[in-house]
Amino acid sequence: EAGVAQSPRYKIIEKRQSVAFWCNPISGHATLYWYQQILGQGPKLLIQFQNNGVVDDSQLPKDRFSAERLKGVDSTLKIQPAKLEDSAVYLCASSLEIGPQNTGELFFGEGSRLTVL
Amino acid sequence: QKEVEQDPGPLSVPEGAIVSLNCTYSNSAFQYFMWYRQYSRKGPELLMYTYSSGNKEDGRFTAQVDKSSKYISLFIRDSQPSDSATYLCAMRVSSGSARQLTFGSGTQLTVLP
Repeated sequence: EAGVAQSPRYKIIEKRQSVAFWCNPISGHATLYWYQQILGQGPKLLIQFQNNGVVDDSQLPKDRFSAERLKGVDSTLKIQPAKLEDSAVYLCASSLEIGPQNTGELFFGEGSRLTVL
Repeated sequence: QKEVEQDPGPLSVPEGAIVSLNCTYSNSAFQYFMWYRQYSRKGPELLMYTYSSGNKEDGRFTAQVDKSSKYISLFIRDSQPSDSATYLCAMRVSSGSARQLTFGSGTQLTVLP
């Protein structure tokens, strides 16, 4: 079974530039998450999609971050304009619908590492 | 106060040692508790999943949950160099449409051969 795919793996930009990250979840997983992991910290949820609808984006800095999940499969996360504090690994994860037969386990991609200079 | 606090480490132990990793939490609505392992430059992967208070064992790993004290632990017996990674505790509430995970900050473990 193919895992969660993310690209690019690494990106270096200057502040005030824009960047976009792409995620392809595991086939059949309805729920998709974007997490931000700053060095030395645990992942912090930015946005959660259920199919192509947003479930929770309360921690997404909406003045500069945007995300979409067209057709309920792939997703993109965009940052414009980037700030120095956006330097982090952006992790995409997917899961099956949480139900009595499964744990709602999150499957993570390898992440996209962003450096803002 | 953070919802989930995790012993920061880093932790360095000799091969074969018993390792104890710990987290405390403040939100009594958390009902599901997990431990994720994250190797360098990789995404986290689920290691253990527990729901009720008590112990759950899987090979060399034991997850312990004490809901009355809001405290969870992961024990690794006979630690191996391949166990060297960052360990993240994570937890979520039992109901609601979001039910996303809240993670601790991670403990970096190095097992020396």
